[in-house]
Amino acid sequence: TQLLEQSPQFLSIQEGENLTVYCNSSSVFSSLQWYRQEPGEGPVLLVTVVTGGEVKKLKRLTFQFGDARKDSSLHITAAQPGDTGLYLCAGASQAGTALIFGKGTTLSVSS
Amino acid sequence: SAVISQKPSRDICQRGTSLTIQCQVDSQVTMMFWYRQQPGQSLTLIATANQGSEATYESGFVIDKFPISRPNLTFSTLTVSNMSPEDSSIYLCSVAGINTDTQYFGPGTRLTVL
Repeated sequence: TQLLEQSPQFLSIQEGENLTVYCNSSSVFSSLQWYRQEPGEGPVLLVTVVTGGEVKKLKRLTFQFGDARKDSSLHITAAQPGDTGLYLCAGASQAGTALIFGKGTTLSVSS
Repeated sequence: SAVISQKPSRDICQRGTSLTIQCQVDSQVTMMFWYRQQPGQSLTLIATANQGSEATYESGFVIDKFPISRPNLTFSTLTVSNMSPEDSSIYLCSVAGINTDTQYFGPGTRLTVL
């Protein structure tokens, strides 16, 4: 059974701080996706990474896929209150298959 | 990206009753999935909705409790049968292409069982 360990589970920081969220597994994934979910809404896709070692940037967010495609990280620079939410990593063993989700990281950014 | 709608967006139901949740996509998609998100937790896959055949269920989920239909490539339903308070969750559908890595999620249906 494939598992994704996501850490930290909770993160409470001040506006302007940097943070990193980690997703780790002993299994290889075809791709890894990061979502952000706000209360009462479905997860919204932030990025999909498919190539080992790949780095993608989305404004202040930087996503990295490990060389062996077993782990990923999300780094946020200069966090803002609008970044508050639940961040979820999810891996697919093959393209088009169901996702395995990490437990999520609840981020709270206060001004 | 696909636009996905779910009905109802939320409902409050009595123990022992059933609720059918609808998922509609604005384009034909190959893969559709149903997930459950219990309060304060992450997403767990219930089943893969297969067009024209029976759904494929994950361990711990059975057809009698969560019957699923998928009559075409743009529509699916999930029924939560004989509900108990433990079924109170957000139910989400997602879609993907057969050879694509990206999945998109609907807005979810928030179910509360009293």
